[in-house]
Amino acid sequence: DAKTTQPNSMESNEEEPVHLPCNHSTISGTDYIHWYRQLPSQGPEYVIHGLTSNVNNRMASLAIAEDRKSSTLILHRATLRDAAVYYCILRDRGESDKLIFGTGTRLQVFP
Amino acid sequence: NAGVTQTPKFRILKIGQSMTLQCTQDMNHNYMYWYRQDPGMGLKLIYYSVGAGITDKGEVPNGYNVSRSTTEDFPLRLELAAPSQTSVYFCASSSGQSGNTIYFGEGSWLTVV
Repeated sequence: DAKTTQPNSMESNEEEPVHLPCNHSTISGTDYIHWYRQLPSQGPEYVIHGLTSNVNNRMASLAIAEDRKSSTLILHRATLRDAAVYYCILRDRGESDKLIFGTGTRLQVFP
Repeated sequence: NAGVTQTPKFRILKIGQSMTLQCTQDMNHNYMYWYRQDPGMGLKLIYYSVGAGITDKGEVPNGYNVSRSTTEDFPLRLELAAPSQTSVYFCASSSGQSGNTIYFGEGSWLTVV
């Protein structure tokens, strides 16, 4: 299974943009890039996903490098409610689809 | 739709006892997963299933068993509880297509004493 590498922690001030990086140098051509976040004492929740092109939704944007070996989750205006652990996960199209989580990035947001 | 429902939410077990964590989903998803999360750590995959009657081991399967007799249900069995199994357990489901969302339950907090 392809692995991802993320910084252990990041900090931001409220209402500032946040760029959360993820390296996935062993990504295969069939892997989707998924981002999930986990608020304290809750299960992970979906944020965004993409394959090759940049993606936007109401929660965030996902910027994917041209060679697909890295990606960046962008929160345009951080709020206190965005404080969470953010996981970058690769999902392949194969039958296994094991969904292996890495250690994630703990985002702190300061008022 | 209820999504992914886990029971119980909290449980205290004595060493050597057995129990089953229940997980059910009402989204007709083929793929289901069980994870455990130790304090301050990431999620580790215990078992997963790609459809009724099919299960496979994840990263940390020792001490656990699963079955998948229906599409909706994916129970996790602890046969001989050990303190090392004190953790939060999350069940998840997905339609199985890699571009689709994974839905998680709210978690089951298990303490083995």
